[in-house]
Amino acid sequence: AQSVTQLDSHVSVSEGTPVLLRCNYSSSYSPSLFWYVQHPNKGLQLLLKYTSAATLVKGINGFEAEFKKSETSFHLTKPSAHMSDAAEYFCVVSRGNNRLAFGKGNQVVVIP
Amino acid sequence: DGGITQSPKYLFRKEGQNVTLSCEQNLNHDAMYWYRQDPGQGLRLIYYSQIVNDFQKGDIAEGYSVSREKKESFPLTVTSAQKNPTAFYLCASSTSGSDLGGSNEQYFGPGTRLTVT
Repeated sequence: AQSVTQLDSHVSVSEGTPVLLRCNYSSSYSPSLFWYVQHPNKGLQLLLKYTSAATLVKGINGFEAEFKKSETSFHLTKPSAHMSDAAEYFCVVSRGNNRLAFGKGNQVVVIP
Repeated sequence: DGGITQSPKYLFRKEGQNVTLSCEQNLNHDAMYWYRQDPGQGLRLIYYSQIVNDFQKGDIAEGYSVSREKKESFPLTVTSAQKNPTAFYLCASSTSGSDLGGSNEQYFGPGTRLTVT
């Protein structure tokens, strides 16, 4: 079954320092992969997606992610954290029939 | 403005009552989804519909029901049979027709927070 693992349920970063959120996936076929962001009591917004084109994917707000098939990883990075990046981040993998499987999320706190 | 609307934002009900959550989209998407979100659990799929007048159970369908009579609308009823209904409920939609194994991105509404006491 398709699934994702997000370690570090809570991540603290200082403003202006890099952000790294790790995601490992399991899939029996060539997957689509996504990162979504959720601000408190809001819906989810798509940050970026991988659909077997370029392995380095650029998203909104300066985020990017690299698909590494050999490592079954899709880690999310941003060079410099901003206060507005404080939110919850979900790594998501396709599971066929247009359905998605969500990781448990990374809660990011940005320290001024 | 295209998007997904969910109403109400907050909903309070007494235990034993059924309650219906609204979800409407004007994105002309064929597929619609309902998720439940609990703290630290990610999102879990309740029901999904790929086309009007058809829907399938997701991973946690027990105690829930849906209908899909119009392309734009996918209401979710939380019945009294749902043991732990208090949660944040999110509706989403997407285009259909993805490749095997792939998925199109889903667009999410703002959510409804249901509290049952």
